[in-house]
Amino acid sequence: AQSVAQPEDQVNVAEGNPLTVKCTYSVSGNPYLFWYVQYPNRGLQFLLKYITGDNLVKGSYGFEAEFNKSQTSFHLKKPSALVSDSALYFCAVRDFANDYKLSFGAGTTVTVRA
Amino acid sequence: GAGVSQTPSNKVTEKGKYVELRCDPISGHTALYWYRQSLGQGPEFLIYFQGTGAADDSGLPNDRFFAVRPEGSVSTLKIQRTERGDSAMYLCASSYRTEPLSDYTFGSGTRLTVV
Repeated sequence: AQSVAQPEDQVNVAEGNPLTVKCTYSVSGNPYLFWYVQYPNRGLQFLLKYITGDNLVKGSYGFEAEFNKSQTSFHLKKPSALVSDSALYFCAVRDFANDYKLSFGAGTTVTVRA
Repeated sequence: GAGVSQTPSNKVTEKGKYVELRCDPISGHTALYWYRQSLGQGPEFLIYFQGTGAADDSGLPNDRFFAVRPEGSVSTLKIQRTERGDSAMYLCASSYRTEPLSDYTFGSGTRLTVV
């Protein structure tokens, strides 16, 4: 079965500093990996995905993620965090056998302090 | 419409009551999905529709949960004899196709509270 793990429940950074949200995955076959963001009382917003190709994926709002096959990781990064980036972030993997199904991590709460 | 619309945004019901949650997907999206997000957890898959039929309902927790999509557009998630453990955010998403290249668009969710 496909799964992702987000080892940190919370990440706190100062505005202007780099932001990293960690994700590791476990899949059989090719990984289809995603990052979503959720603001309070809102649905999920798509940030970026890795299907194939370049290991560095660029997404919305200045976010990027690096796919690392040897470390089975797909960490989300932003070079300079904003207070408005404070939200709940989810890593997810699409099931290889049933590729309509997303399996999500437990989420990481990001707080960016001014 | 421009996005996936879910109604109501909030629903409070008494234990044992029946509830219906509605999802109106993006026009033209043939695939529709329901997920449940409990407090402090990531969303969990409930059911997937391709057109009018439920292609995979393996995530529905028990037979109190049922979902329909009679005309291949709007979907309704129905919960009978609600229990306090059903309290969660219920998310709907739609997509044009199902392969990984096709992105989901999520609605804002319905927060269900069973008291």
